[in-house]
Amino acid sequence: EAQVTQNPRYLITVTGKKLTVTCSQNMNHEYMSWYRQDPGLGLRQIYYSMNVEVTDKGDVPEGYKVSRKEKRNFPLILESPSPNQTSLYFCASSLRLASSTDTQYFGPGTRLTVL
Amino acid sequence: DAKTTQPPSMDCAEGRAANLPCNHSTISGNEYVYWYRQIHSQGPQYIIHGLKNNETNEMASLIITEDRKSSTLILPHATLRDTAVYYCIVTGPRGAGSYQLTFGKGTKLSVIP
Repeated sequence: EAQVTQNPRYLITVTGKKLTVTCSQNMNHEYMSWYRQDPGLGLRQIYYSMNVEVTDKGDVPEGYKVSRKEKRNFPLILESPSPNQTSLYFCASSLRLASSTDTQYFGPGTRLTVL
Repeated sequence: DAKTTQPPSMDCAEGRAANLPCNHSTISGNEYVYWYRQIHSQGPQYIIHGLKNNETNEMASLIITEDRKSSTLILPHATLRDTAVYYCIVTGPRGAGSYQLTFGKGTKLSVIP
């Protein structure tokens, strides 16, 4: 089954404790992206990757890192989480998102709470 | 990317057509109109997209005005499972051929029995 998976689905952590949220897709998609969703603010893009070893900042990249060493994986790294990073996080992928037939497929979400 | 304006909420009776409007008066010639929806806190789900012509698929129809400054998503026979937040997104290429999706606040559609 074609899908985007994220782990963990729920995480409660403390300020400053490094964490990684994994994202994996099995559709051989080139383009992957991370979003965060906060009440009243909609979804905002954190980082995106157009292919292996190619990443770029989205609209709210501060406090986050990403890597794209393999095509299928795009982990989101919080080196020193802070309470303002408490949010619902979504990973997404698409074939290229550069043609009229590309759409983004979203993972189930990771609810992160930073105390 | 062009900004979009959607009503914050709408109601629709079950079994009736739901017509969700979106204004995108600053859309440029190479920008597409995409619609996604998000049911509760699940990941957003793609519905449909178009450039100039009206489009239809198994989920919905997309009507784009001739001047492309507005569009309407039509769910022909709304069911309770269509209750969700619907996002209208206008996007075009942003460097090296990549497209970005910027999600606004969307329209909360409530389908009422």
